[in-house]
Amino acid sequence: EDQVTQSPEALRLQEGESSSLNCSYTVSGLRGLFWYRQDPGKGPEFLFTLYSAGEEKEKERLKATLTKKESFLHITAPKPEDSATYLCAVRGGSNYKLTFGKGTLLTVNP
Amino acid sequence: GAVVSQHPSRVICKSGTSVKIECRSLDFQATTMFWYRQFPKQSLMLMATSNEGSKATYEQGVEKDKFLINHASLTLSTLTVTSAHPEDSSFYICSARDGDSPLHFGNGTRLTVT
Repeated sequence: EDQVTQSPEALRLQEGESSSLNCSYTVSGLRGLFWYRQDPGKGPEFLFTLYSAGEEKEKERLKATLTKKESFLHITAPKPEDSATYLCAVRGGSNYKLTFGKGTLLTVNP
Repeated sequence: GAVVSQHPSRVICKSGTSVKIECRSLDFQATTMFWYRQFPKQSLMLMATSNEGSKATYEQGVEKDKFLINHASLTLSTLTVTSAHPEDSSFYICSARDGDSPLHFGNGTRLTVT
């Protein structure tokens, strides 16, 4: 059974204070690791897909990396508008089912 | 980019009544749609996979007679919560597959059963 564990559960940062979120996973035959952003009362918004160990992707202040056991979402010089819950999910096997972690609630204070 | 529209965004119903939630892919055809449920501070839990023109596939523990899914066209899937009870109160989110691209999610429906 695929499993995803995210840490920390919650993270408070000051504006400009860089940090990283962790996503540990176990999956049979990784077909993709996904990062989503979720704002309160909204559906998840796609950020990145990573497919193989060593892969990295960047978008503005966010950078996602992948190893065989975990993924990191690095946030550089965050701004208050980066405050959200960040979700990690994996896809294993031939279907499109995603297994999600519980998310990390990020709060960036001005 | 691909857009998934979900309606309504919020609904309040009385215990014992049924509620229908719609999920539409606005600018692409979705052969497969997914229905998730999310409790506060919990993961999104997949309830069922909906394929156009065929019966939905339900995850273990999800009552198919309670959560009726219809995917009658390539752009519309519906979830009907039948005989709703307070424990069915939750945040329901649909997603749709556009080829092999990442899943696109709707904005969710907050269901409150009184």
